[in-house]
Amino acid sequence: QQPVQSPQAVILREGEDAVINCSSSKALYSVHWYRQKHGEAPVFLMILLKGGEQKGHDKISASFNEKKQQSSLYLTASQLSYSGTYFCGTEEMGKLIFGQGTTLQVKP
Amino acid sequence: KAGVTQTPRYLIKTRGQQVTLSCSPISGHRSVSWYQQTPGQGLQFLFEYFSETQRNKGNFPGRFSGRQFSNSRSEMNVSTLELGDSALYLCASSDPGLTYEQYFGPGTRLTVT
Repeated sequence: QQPVQSPQAVILREGEDAVINCSSSKALYSVHWYRQKHGEAPVFLMILLKGGEQKGHDKISASFNEKKQQSSLYLTASQLSYSGTYFCGTEEMGKLIFGQGTTLQVKP
Repeated sequence: KAGVTQTPRYLIKTRGQQVTLSCSPISGHRSVSWYQQTPGQGLQFLFEYFSETQRNKGNFPGRFSGRQFSNSRSEMNVSTLELGDSALYLCASSDPGLTYEQYFGPGTRLTVT
């Protein structure tokens, strides 16, 4: 079953923060995050494994709460380059199932 | 290393025809996954091949098939095309021995008229 992302879309000004949530009705063992810019292929951001470990690089980080079956992606002090569609993916019997995506637009 | 390549990049076909799409993974990657991306359904998993064997399959009709060759290159075939098959088809390669990070190709934009 497809994970559910919220919000569906968000518009920010440069420097503002954003949180994208991903939740599943099934037990999660890992959560993958990808970003796809318009007209380009999705690009891997990070993977979070069971254990609640928070990961991040630069000003993008994520948390994973397997008890709540959800993950959150945090974008701090957003830059114009952060614009794009963010997908979370959950593993189900060896398959990577993606959420419907969250479109993020960062304006100057 | 060269990235994932897909050919052709754009394709226009007529209903009822069949089509074959090709994907060359990153050198050394043995796993290739295929996805269909549409505005309404998002990114949907089609199938995954590893060492020439289909390891996983998504919920698509039998008209969608694929294969992988000994050099890890993969092809995807869609027979009896329908209008609803119009989509961006993405393939992604990974090396399961390291991480589950998938590297996506630029995709093939298929339009069925």
